[in-house]
Amino acid sequence: DTGVSQDPRHKITKRGQNVTFRCDPISEHNRLYWYRQTLGQGPEFLTYFQNEAQLEKSRLLSDRFSAERPKGSFSTLEIQRTEQGDSAMYLCASSERTGAYTEAFFGQGTRLTVV
Amino acid sequence: KQEVTQIPAALSVPEGENLVLNCSFTDSAIYNLQWFRQDPGKGLTSLLLIQSSQREQTSGRLNASLDKSSGRSTLYIAASQPGDSATYLCAVQTGANNLFFGTGTRLTVIP
Repeated sequence: DTGVSQDPRHKITKRGQNVTFRCDPISEHNRLYWYRQTLGQGPEFLTYFQNEAQLEKSRLLSDRFSAERPKGSFSTLEIQRTEQGDSAMYLCASSERTGAYTEAFFGQGTRLTVV
Repeated sequence: KQEVTQIPAALSVPEGENLVLNCSFTDSAIYNLQWFRQDPGKGLTSLLLIQSSQREQTSGRLNASLDKSSGRSTLYIAASQPGDSATYLCAVQTGANNLFFGTGTRLTVIP
């Protein structure tokens, strides 16, 4: 396992369409995070899973967004009825809880462009 | 709410120069602080993680320090190289399970 894998790397979609992104974390990591990054900004937290349980969601995660992590392995992030403001880089990260030492490892991201 | 600030926003230096990037955060109740590198259009690469009980961490030409009480961290890069050109992001982890990021410092090392 070489790291966190995200698919696709790039996605162009028309406004109003649904899109789904996939994240495969590092295999022994039980924590998985989704972040969104717009141009010139740092990543912003969207949601967090510990194993299959979604434990935290940001207010940025509107009801058009849904994330799942079935069986505590890979995760999907779906955006319904996309809007131009959804254009951003969507980053996935994973970490393994070892006491308070929780180094996060990020994937290469999925760049979404809504036209 | 935790706020993370990075100064400067952009920095250009000639090759070989030593440099310091700054990060400050408003809430000192952090679990750890992590420095990342991001190349254009790419994901984040973890450089160094400093636990809240630690003062500094070193990896090769990189040295990161943490002063939790004053809410500051620095990333020192020795003998900079053109390959170091990238955006450097600092992030803190609080009692919540997510990271709060700064907006980054865009570094250009001129050959």
